[in-house]
Amino acid sequence: AQKVTQAQTEISVVEKEDVTLDCVYETRDTTYYLFWYKQPPSGELVFLIRRNSFDEQNEISGRYSWNFQKSTSSFNFTITASQVVDSAVYFCALSGRQGGSEKLVFGKGTKLTVNP
Amino acid sequence: DSGVTQTPKHLITATGQRVTLRCSPRSGDLSVYWYQQSLDQGLQFLIQYYNGEERAKGNILERFSAQQFPDLHSELNLSSLELGDSALYFCASSAQDSALETQYFGPGTRLLVL
Repeated sequence: AQKVTQAQTEISVVEKEDVTLDCVYETRDTTYYLFWYKQPPSGELVFLIRRNSFDEQNEISGRYSWNFQKSTSSFNFTITASQVVDSAVYFCALSGRQGGSEKLVFGKGTKLTVNP
Repeated sequence: DSGVTQTPKHLITATGQRVTLRCSPRSGDLSVYWYQQSLDQGLQFLIQYYNGEERAKGNILERFSAQQFPDLHSELNLSSLELGDSALYFCASSAQDSALETQYFGPGTRLLVL
């Protein structure tokens, strides 16, 4: 079975601090995709990144960066110089084939609070 | 704005009732997915439709059903509602018939069953 674990339930930081959100996944698939979504207080789910299992290059997008390590089955997300607007629940997700069909499985989420 | 629309935004109803949630996918997307987000279960996949046909099923109760119409909009029907059905229901869409693709989520419908 596929599983995503986000061990950090809640994180609180002060503005301008760097923060890393952890994501560990389990799958037997050789081809799979990993995602991060952001859910701000308004409730919608905002897509941040998609990464396939064959691409272990780290990715940077502005203040956001992602570290994919197959050896540890982790796909961690770092926010540099955090801002109050980064306050949200962040979900890591994994898609792959389960029982003959492809499904997206989410972690429980990490609630990030950035204080001014 | 993801381009996925959902109506209504909020719904308050009583136990035993039936409701219909509506979703319009992004222009050009053929797949629609439904998810339920509750405090205890987190985000759970319910069902997927692709171009009008059911493609995958997740943890969807028998009291729940869905369909996708020729214009590609989708409806999720929830019947014999129970207090535990109170949740945020999301619709997502993607271009093709694969959950390996990026799914873009709508703003959700918040259902409260009293």
